[in-house]
Amino acid sequence: DIQMTQSPSSLSASVGDRVTITCRTSQSISSSLNWYQQKPGKAPKLLIFAASNLQSGVPSRFSASGSETDFTLTISSLQPEDFATYYCQQSYSTLWTFGQGTKVEVK
Amino acid sequence: QVQLVESGGGVVQPGTSLRLSCEASGFTFSTYGMHWVRQAPGKGLEWVSIISYDGNTKYYADSVKGRFTISRDNSKNTLYLQMNSLRAEDTAVYYCAKGGVIVLDSWGQGSLVIVSS
Repeated sequence: DIQMTQSPSSLSASVGDRVTITCRTSQSISSSLNWYQQKPGKAPKLLIFAASNLQSGVPSRFSASGSETDFTLTISSLQPEDFATYYCQQSYSTLWTFGQGTKVEVK
Repeated sequence: QVQLVESGGGVVQPGTSLRLSCEASGFTFSTYGMHWVRQAPGKGLEWVSIISYDGNTKYYADSVKGRFTISRDNSKNTLYLQMNSLRAEDTAVYYCAKGGVIVLDSWGQGSLVIVSS
């Protein structure tokens, strides 16, 4: 199985901060990497697909980049509604896997 | 709009079985692959299984292989997850999700399964 490592596991930030989350995979996955946001008690929501493509309806302050084994999700100016947990997920192999999550908390 | 509604969760004893259902609407169900993803209490997301649009191809996470079976009825727009030989570590919220070719673009609200004696 392809292993996913997100960092950090959690971070504290303030409204307006620039936030960066990284995801590293145990083998090359080309651009088959997606990002999801999950708020407590809710289902995950797709933010970014295929490494860098913004899902329809997602604010442009979210962006992502990367390929092969190293990927990044950036929130350019953190908003109150962005405090949540973020997951990366690979769809390169037949057995999909998620990163362990990054919790973005209020500083 | 896309709607996915899971049902069938509950409290069961270890070693027993349970079947989850996911009723889909708002899209052409028979043309999309579908997934199950679970989340143990306070933990992260774990991908469980995928079934192709026609039901002919299925894959499972190692943690459930041989115990869980994914299936679908395209005439009823419904996805299923048959869970046998349940263990305490299967306790989780189970989400069904609509799969594009490479992404989970819509999710249900989840169904809670508790395995406890």
